[in-house]
Amino acid sequence: GAVVSQHPSWVICKSGTSVKIECRSLDFQATTMFWYRQFPKQSLMLMATSNEGSKATYEQGVEKDKFLINHASLTLSTLTVTSAHPEDSSFYICSAPGGGNIGNEQYFGPGTRLTVT
Amino acid sequence: KNEVEQSPQNLTAQEGEFITINCSYSVGISALHWLQQHPGGGIVSLFMLSSGKKKHGRLIATINIQEKHSSLHITASHPRDSAVYICAASGAGSYQLTFGKGTKLSVIP
Repeated sequence: GAVVSQHPSWVICKSGTSVKIECRSLDFQATTMFWYRQFPKQSLMLMATSNEGSKATYEQGVEKDKFLINHASLTLSTLTVTSAHPEDSSFYICSAPGGGNIGNEQYFGPGTRLTVT
Repeated sequence: KNEVEQSPQNLTAQEGEFITINCSYSVGISALHWLQQHPGGGIVSLFMLSSGKKKHGRLIATINIQEKHSSLHITASHPRDSAVYICAASGAGSYQLTFGKGTKLSVIP
């Protein structure tokens, strides 16, 4: 089946620094990718929808200047957490629908655990 | 906005038991997804269905569109089935998923 990868799988950074997380669709093209964050023992919360070649759409309450999303190609979306703070520590997951039809199966990346010290 | 409710929130079963996890949603959808998340965090898509029933190994997913309800069944449960199971609904005309809060399943040997 289709595969979505994320890199890195975990990262520890100091407060005030920026961290980039990559999401790649390995064997299919994804014009749309989704970024989620998950706090311990909670469900996934959609942060933003990444659109290839255009600006990302952010959910209410998500700061677009803090969470920069770039979807420069049909197989790669990046999420950059700028000026990270300890409260940004979370599990970040991306997903991509496998195909051009609405409602197609979604493929999830393995996630990136971010710890900000 | 769709609301997705799952039950139970936590479930402990003995190995070999038949398990059912329920999911209900409030508005019409294009598809209902069942996902599995292991303690390490990675998520695996188990099923996507818009009608009827699907089976994969010991897992069975059903959906009743009229009642806006889906169930995930696990037959002959095994400790390796221990995970969080999440249902998620994709709305009509949208890729976006609305997630349930998940059901934490623990299967005891």
